[in-house]
Amino acid sequence: DVKVTQSSRYLVKRTGEKVFLECVQDMDHENMFWYRQDPGLGLRLIYFSYDVKMKEKGDIPEGYSVSREKKERFSLILESASTNQTSMYLCASTRIGQGNSKNIQYFGAGTRLSVL
Amino acid sequence: AQKVTQAQTEISVVEKEDVTLDCVYETRDTTYYLFWYKQPPSGELVFLIRRNSFDEQNEISGRYSWNFQKSTSSFNFTITASQVVDSAVYFCALSEGGATNKLIFGTGTLLAVQP
Repeated sequence: DVKVTQSSRYLVKRTGEKVFLECVQDMDHENMFWYRQDPGLGLRLIYFSYDVKMKEKGDIPEGYSVSREKKERFSLILESASTNQTSMYLCASTRIGQGNSKNIQYFGAGTRLSVL
Repeated sequence: AQKVTQAQTEISVVEKEDVTLDCVYETRDTTYYLFWYKQPPSGELVFLIRRNSFDEQNEISGRYSWNFQKSTSSFNFTITASQVVDSAVYFCALSEGGATNKLIFGTGTLLAVQP
């Protein structure tokens, strides 16, 4: 089974703090994604990565950055957390190529971040 | 532009009722994929089904069935004889099918199944 692990289920931070959200997948997937989920808005893509050290902005990248130094790990960074970044953050991964599991995104359990 | 609309924000049913969750999509691509995910209270999105744009066959998996109609750009999900464990938020999503595999999600439908 594919496993996507997010390092924290719940996180409370102060305004202005630098926050790291970590995500690790164990299936050698090429692509990894970070979403935020807010009531009434569904999931919105923040950033994604299609290879080590490669990244692309999603729909709402402002206030965020990412890092992918190893294939299995994709980190989301809030350089200076603000209250409007209080949200549920979900990480996902998928493989490219052929086969039944192609382009199916597998998700972690999510990190609920509160910025006070 | 690509878009997924789930017009039903919340649905409440009584156990054993059948329920249909609607999904309407917009895309200019000829090759695309449609997905349904379930998000139980634990928070993790669970993959339910993927359908590609060239396969309009309906699919049944146990109590779950999906109706894909390109003519109306819809990919609806029916749960037959609902159970309390079906209570969750259900998301419909669209992928353009390129190498990046990006998904565009609808806003989700919260299904509450009452005992």
